[in-house]
Amino acid sequence: DGGITQSPKYLFRKEGQNVTLSCEQNLNHDAMYWYRQDPGQGLRLIYYSQIVNDFQKGDIAEGYSVSREKKESFPLTVTSAQKNPTAFYLCASRTSSGQKNIQYFGAGTRLSVL
Amino acid sequence: GENVEQHPSTLSVQEGDSAVIKCTYSDSASNYFPWYKQELGKRPQLIIDIRSNVGEKKDQRIAVTLNKTAKHFSLHITETQPEDSAVYFCAATPYNQGGKLIFGQGTELSVKP
Repeated sequence: DGGITQSPKYLFRKEGQNVTLSCEQNLNHDAMYWYRQDPGQGLRLIYYSQIVNDFQKGDIAEGYSVSREKKESFPLTVTSAQKNPTAFYLCASRTSSGQKNIQYFGAGTRLSVL
Repeated sequence: GENVEQHPSTLSVQEGDSAVIKCTYSDSASNYFPWYKQELGKRPQLIIDIRSNVGEKKDQRIAVTLNKTAKHFSLHITETQPEDSAVYFCAATPYNQGGKLIFGQGTELSVKP
């Protein structure tokens, strides 16, 4: 899991502003995921990507956007349409080869609203 | 879609006692069930996992059991230690849905010395 880097560690968003969270992995994993964590609610899936230039919505995609232009990178943009963005955001990656389903997580980005 | 329920939400035990956390899932096609441990402010770390073709798996003081018929799986921690204190999450992977994880709500385990 040391091969997944999220930045920044802390991020503050002003009203009406879009912000982008970075996620980079050097594990040569095909699949990448974004989760949102709120207290007492576990982790909820925002978006995921199984391959470059392709991604799918998760359970709570509204107000978020992603891109997957490179295998190593899967940035998440929190748009102004997301009215309650304060949360801990976790990125994960997984190899698609064989039977391995293990997801490895980055250290997370804590987003707050100013 | 898949839904995972986890109980209890909080669990307090004395050092040396056992702890059991239970999860149920709704999609009978789910085929992979990991357990993650998350310490305060840190990333979730995989501690044990089980596939749908296995009924039980052990790793030192931790074990996981799976009952496919009843669609529930449990985490067992024996001889608990203060460093076991953390939030534990169960998850299920629906079949053929990109390997995404559906998480339970988490259990905050407190081990008192």
